Amino acid sequence: GQSLEQPSEVTAVEGAIVQINCTYQTSGFYGLSWYQQHDGGAPTFLSYNALDGLEETGRFSSFLSRSDSYGYLLLQELQMKDSASYFCAVDVQGGKLIFGQGTELSVKP
Amino acid sequence: DGGITQSPKYLFRKEGQNVTLSCEQNLNHDAMYWYRQDPGQGLRLIYYSQIVNDFQKGDIAEGYSVSREKKESFPLTVTSAQKNPTAFYLCASLPQAGGASTGELFFGEGSRLTVL
Repeated sequence: GQSLEQPSEVTAVEGAIVQINCTYQTSGFYGLSWYQQHDGGAPTFLSYNALDGLEETGRFSSFLSRSDSYGYLLLQELQMKDSASYFCAVDVQGGKLIFGQGTELSVKP
Repeated sequence: DGGITQSPKYLFRKEGQNVTLSCEQNLNHDAMYWYRQDPGQGLRLIYYSQIVNDFQKGDIAEGYSVSREKKESFPLTVTSAQKNPTAFYLCASLPQAGGASTGELFFGEGSRLTVL
C-alpha cells in the first residue's frame, strides 16, 4: 500500500515562516512534488525533488531526505494570498503520482 | 494558449445514469490522468494513461471507465456502478512519464458532478 502523511492544518501570521512536513511509505519512489490549491480551484505545481537536498524557488523551498522518507515545503515571508491547501505527492512509478490528504494553511494578519 | 480543457464545468445527473467527462490537452504531453477530490480531502487517482491506446487503473477505478484513442483526449465515464459519484473531478497531464518525469502535473479547471 501507499501512504503519505501531512498535518491537516497549520496557522501562521503574515511575514512568518512555516514548514509543512510530508512523510511517505510507498512501493516505489521517483520523486516528491508539492502543489497549492485555493478553494474551488485546480492544484498548481510548486516544486519537485528527486534527489536529497533543498530546492529553492523564490519564497518557497522544498527539501527531501530519501533515507528518511521525508520531505517538507518551507514558505517564507508569508502573505495572505498563501492561505490555501498544500499537497505533497509521490511519483511511485515514473509517472504515477499519489497525493497526500493535504494541509490547510491559514495566514492571519 | 496551451492547456487542458475540461467540460462540462458543472454536471448534474440522476442516479442510474452514466455520464462522460471530457478532457482535452494541446500541450503534446504523453501522460494523462483522472483524479477525484471529495470536500476537504486529497486527490485520489482513478485512471492514468502514459501512451495512446493504453491506460492503467489507479486506486479507485471501480465504477469508472476511460479511453485513450488520441494523444490529446482522455474522457472519463462515470457509470451507474459508481456508488457515490458526487465529487470534483480533475484531469491532468504530464509532459513525460518514466524516468524523465519531472513530477509536474498540469491540471484542468475540473468538473463538479452532482448526483441528484
